Amino acid sequence: GAVVSQHPSRVICKSGTSVKIECRSLDFQATTMFWYRQFPKQSLMLMATSNEGSKATYEQGVEKDKFLINHASLTLSTLTVTSAHPEDSSFYICSAMAAYEQYFGPGTRLTVT
Amino acid sequence: RKEVEQDPGPFNVPEGATVAFNCTYSNSASQSFFWYRQDCRKEPKLLMSVYSSGNEDGRFTAQLNRASQYISLLIRDSKLSDSATYLCVVNIPSSGTYKYIFGTGTRLKVLA
Repeated sequence: GAVVSQHPSRVICKSGTSVKIECRSLDFQATTMFWYRQFPKQSLMLMATSNEGSKATYEQGVEKDKFLINHASLTLSTLTVTSAHPEDSSFYICSAMAAYEQYFGPGTRLTVT
Repeated sequence: RKEVEQDPGPFNVPEGATVAFNCTYSNSASQSFFWYRQDCRKEPKLLMSVYSSGNEDGRFTAQLNRASQYISLLIRDSKLSDSATYLCVVNIPSSGTYKYIFGTGTRLKVLA
């Protein structure tokens, strides 16, 4: 099946700094990628839909100025958590569409101290 | 009402048991339905898509009832390795395309 990678897999940063997470589709092109966040013992919450060459569509309650999404190519979307705070600590997962199925990246565990 | 709702779980069942999970969705315009499996601290993996006619893959059977907006997953002859969280996923129309919404998940623990 299709492969999606994420980098980094784990990051620890200080409060107030920014963190960039990359999501790549390795063997296919993805015009649409999704970003999810998962807190412990909860399900995945859709944060935004990332469209190649256009602005991302954010879900209600997700601040677009805090979670910057860039989908500059058909194989790469990035999520930047700006001015991170401890409450942003979570598991961030991206997915990419291929043949009407979603393929997930392995996730990035962000810890903000 | 939540867009996708699942049995809260956890389900603790003995090896060899049959277990069923339910999921309801609120948007009648949804077109695609899936069951994913998520192991602890890992990304979700597609278990199976759910088709209107129902579909089976080995010990797993998925059913869709569009009239009741209800999806089910049946696992027969449970194995220890089936222990995981099972996530119901439904697509809903959004800005001319679709987005995918996850249920809260049902935890399954298969006991020896």
